[in-house]
Order: sequence, then structure tokens, then C-alpha cells
Amino acid sequence: DARVTQTPRHKVTEMGQEVTMRCQPILGHNTVFWYRQTMMQGLELLAYFRNRAPLDDSGMPKDRFSAEMPDATLATLKIQPSEPRDSAVYFCASGLIRQGGYSNQPQHFGDGTRLSIL
Amino acid sequence: DQQVKQNSPSLSVQEGRISILNCDYTNSMFDYFLWYKKYPAEGPTFLISISSIKDKNEDGRFTVFLNKSAKHLSLHIVPSQPGDSAVYFCAAGSQGGSEKLVFGKGTKLTVNP
Repeated sequence: DARVTQTPRHKVTEMGQEVTMRCQPILGHNTVFWYRQTMMQGLELLAYFRNRAPLDDSGMPKDRFSAEMPDATLATLKIQPSEPRDSAVYFCASGLIRQGGYSNQPQHFGDGTRLSIL
Repeated sequence: DQQVKQNSPSLSVQEGRISILNCDYTNSMFDYFLWYKKYPAEGPTFLISISSIKDKNEDGRFTVFLNKSAKHLSLHIVPSQPGDSAVYFCAAGSQGGSEKLVFGKGTKLTVNP
């Protein structure tokens, strides 16, 4: 089965450091999503891309977070500078979304990056 | 304001019995609903979905029911098995698509042998 691959699986770093999380979407999927999971908020959508173009990043703190898709096989989520409140599990998901957003294809999730900021 | 609510944080059932997980939503624009299952240290995996044009969708032991007037959906698992023990997330989308899903906070199901 094709899978979404996320690296690293775990990251522990100190406050103020830059953090980069990577995602390899499923080949052929045209839409990539970044989510954050916390105990308080549950699963929140941070940003997503269609055909590598950013469509919505309204869920993302703009001052310190950035998301990019350098190519079709790689999506990145960066935090600079990181803060303890960024500690969470970050999930990447990909899906095949048809024109106009109509799709009955589910999003497929990676296994996440567990981030701890000390 | 939570648009998708799973009011039961946990549920415990006996093996072989039915598990019923519930989900309520507030946004009338939602027209596509999904259930995901999540094991510890893994990502959510898709389980079953339903479009608002239907009121029931079945896949093996899993059935999702949608009551649009009540803005309520439920997932029935029968018979429940110990391997079904996981956190179940309800998600909702609009415009018939699975773009921009809104997730509930999940219900932890424990199936006891």
C-alpha cells in the first residue's frame, strides 16, 4: 500500500531553534495537508497545497510557521523560532482532489512527527 | 466554537457486542462525513464515509448513519473485536469533497475480550 512518509518521527529541541518537518505525499496525489494535533484542540488544519500551490494557510501562525512544496514529492513545514507551545504531533496528509474541490477520495495520513520544544 | 463534536471521550464494550460512536455537527454546509481510526503512534486511517445524499453506508462490520435533520451521525461496529480498540475521529467537509476537513476530538474505544 502506498503511504505518506513523514520525517523525523520524533524531534526534541530547545526553544528558539528552527524545526523542519518533511513529508513525502503519495505519488499521484495532488493535494497535501498539514495538521497539528494537541490534547486541547484536537486535529487542526494548518495549511494545504493543490498541485504544489498554497491554497489556504489560515490555520497557521504566520509569524513563525512556513509551509512549502519545493517539488511534487516533498512538502515541508518549518517553525522558526520554535516555542514550547508548538509542542504537538504534526501530521501530513495527501489526497486526490478533483477540480472544484469535489472528491469522495479520503485524505491519507502519515504517522506524524512528535515535536517537543523544551 | 467546535463545528464537529464527539461528546464521549471514551467508550468501553465487550467483544462481540455492538459499538456505537456518535458525532454531532453544527454547520449546515457540511455534506460529506468521514470516520477515521487511529492507533497510538500512527496516523489516522480512513474507515468509512458518507455523503449527505445518503442516510446509511455499510462496509463489512462498519456502518455509518447520517441524520441530517438532527445534524448527527453515528458509527456502528458489529461485532466489536479487540483489534477495534483505537481512537475514532469523526470529520466533516463541504462542497462534496474531502478538502478542508473539520475533525472532532475523538472517542477512545476499548473492546474488552
